[in-house]
Amino acid sequence: ELKVEQNPLFLSMQEGKNYTIYCNYSTTSDRLYWYRQDPGKSLESLFVLLSNGAVKQEGRLMASLDTKARLSTLHITAAVHDLSATYFCAVDWDAGNMLTFGGGTRLMVKP
Amino acid sequence: KAGVTQTPRYLIKTRGQQVTLSCSPISGHRSVSWYQQTPGQGLQFLFEYFSETQRNKGNFPGRFSGRQFSNSRSEMNVSTLELGDSALYLCASSLVEGSGYTFGSGTRLTVV
Repeated sequence: ELKVEQNPLFLSMQEGKNYTIYCNYSTTSDRLYWYRQDPGKSLESLFVLLSNGAVKQEGRLMASLDTKARLSTLHITAAVHDLSATYFCAVDWDAGNMLTFGGGTRLMVKP
Repeated sequence: KAGVTQTPRYLIKTRGQQVTLSCSPISGHRSVSWYQQTPGQGLQFLFEYFSETQRNKGNFPGRFSGRQFSNSRSEMNVSTLELGDSALYLCASSLVEGSGYTFGSGTRLTVV
């Protein structure tokens, strides 16, 4: 059974600071996704990482994938309040389209 | 382009009733998958359909079922509703494996 673990589960940070969210998964996969969810809303796709060593950046967020370590990171640079949300990583494995999600990281950025 | 459309957005049902949720994928996307999100269990995979065939099913009781039509629209049905079925149900569509998933706005089901 595939397990996906995120840490931390909750992150409170000051504006302007940097931080990293970690996503570990338990089986071989080279397809990893990051999503953002605002309260009461659906999932917004942030990054699609499809190979070992993949690195993608959008604004203050950068995601990377190390398939050998079974680890993805989401790095936040100079956080701003608008980044406050819950972030999920998800791994796609086996035949067919089925995602296994991590438990989510609730990020609060304080002014 | 139009995104993934889920209807209805909100539903309130009574225990023991059944409910049908609908999902229209992005035009050209043939894969539709369903997820349940609850505060306690997080996001869990329900099932996935491709070209009207169920390819994968998550660990949910038989009360949860689904189908996909020839136009790729999908429905999921929950029979004999229980209080624990209260959740946000999300549908996602995908073009091909590995191309990413686009989620709909979800249907929030409340069972009373």
